[in-house]
Amino acid sequence: GQQVMQIPQYQHVQEGEDFTTYCNSSTTLSNIQWYKQRPGGHPVFLIQLVKSGEVKKQKRLTFQFGEAKKNSSLHITATQTTDVGTYFCALGRDDKIIFGKGTRLHILP
Amino acid sequence: NAGVTQTPKFRVLKTGQSMTLLCAQDMNHEYMYWYRQDPGMGLRLIHYSVGEGTTAKGEVPDGYNVSRLKKQNFLLGLESAAPSQTSVYFCASSYGLAGYRNEQFFGPGTRLTVL
Repeated sequence: GQQVMQIPQYQHVQEGEDFTTYCNSSTTLSNIQWYKQRPGGHPVFLIQLVKSGEVKKQKRLTFQFGEAKKNSSLHITATQTTDVGTYFCALGRDDKIIFGKGTRLHILP
Repeated sequence: NAGVTQTPKFRVLKTGQSMTLLCAQDMNHEYMYWYRQDPGMGLRLIHYSVGEGTTAKGEVPDGYNVSRLKKQNFLLGLESAAPSQTSVYFCASSYGLAGYRNEQFFGPGTRLTVL
């Protein structure tokens, strides 16, 4: 079945440093979604990417969809304490979504 | 709008006991999903529904049953709880097919412990 690999599993950064998480699929994707889950909270939708090579920005967050539509990345510039949490990519397939295992981001003050 | 709500928020069961988790959404969404989340495992789909009266198995359906008698409600049942079912359970809903340009809205979760 369709698998998704998300790396790294954990990331510790100093506040103000940049952060990137990567999502890789074994097959070509029709779309990819990104979610954020704060500690103790529930996943919240951030964005969906559909087009090959697509780049979208939300303030300090930059999302990219690979040219071959097999990988995606989320980059955070100048992290803040509010960025703490786990970031999940999610692949759309038929009538359900397959989630990656997530990257947990920890910010050191 | 309350969005997606789940009851209860916390529950402790003994092995062999049964319980039902309730998910309700007020967004008129067709699609509803039950996930479990365990440390390091991400979100794994248990069962889902593509409309009132329908249910389908997800990635980890064993030991669970579901029902969607009303469009706004999706129930997850554990007939005979086992310690391996200790987890955080999330319900989610979406307007259309989750794989096609439709975000999922998640409930706050139910933390279940089975002793």
